Amino acid sequence: ILNVEQSPQSLHVQEGDSTNFTCSFPSSNFYALHWYRWETAKSPEALFVMTLNGDEKKKGRISATLNTKEGYSYLYIKGSQPEDSATYLCAFISNFGNEKLTFGTGTRLTIIP
Amino acid sequence: DSGVTQTPKHLITATGQRVTLRCSPRSGDLSVYWYQQSLDQGLQFLIQYYNGEERAKGNILERFSAQQFPDLHSELNLSSLELGDSALYFCASSVRDINSPLHFGNGTRLTVT
Repeated sequence: ILNVEQSPQSLHVQEGDSTNFTCSFPSSNFYALHWYRWETAKSPEALFVMTLNGDEKKKGRISATLNTKEGYSYLYIKGSQPEDSATYLCAFISNFGNEKLTFGTGTRLTIIP
Repeated sequence: DSGVTQTPKHLITATGQRVTLRCSPRSGDLSVYWYQQSLDQGLQFLIQYYNGEERAKGNILERFSAQQFPDLHSELNLSSLELGDSALYFCASSVRDINSPLHFGNGTRLTVT
């Protein structure tokens, strides 16, 4: 069983502040990591696909880093806006030869206006 | 709009019954994934198809089966339904493999009474 953990489980951030949260995964069998944003009453939307140690990806005010050797990825949001309120999911893919994405339970982010 | 279409949006049925959930992937996508989200649970991977063939299997019950047809649409069949099968079932598609981001449908909410 692959353990993908996200922390914190939930987070309240003042509008305009920056924030970050973590996805931890098994470091020994890394293949790829995905980040998704899931707004209430909608479906998950892809943010990033990361495959290389040291990768850093950016999309507007959101960026992510990847450390495959220690088994974690950070998601950063700069200057939070109310529309950033969502659950952020990471999904880990191992190099076991199958293509199963194992999702974490997410970090629920609420931006306080 | 992700381009992934799931039908029906809602389904209410009784225990012991059988239902079929349908998914049309985004145009050009060859992979289809099925996920289950039960109350207070994260996204649980059920099964993946690539171009008509089963590619990966998760914790899918024997009462559940799926297939991907030549036109690439997919169906998830759930039989001998139990109360615990009540959940939101998501279909997602990607261009080819797990290095491509997943595009999720809006889900089918199944309620078993």
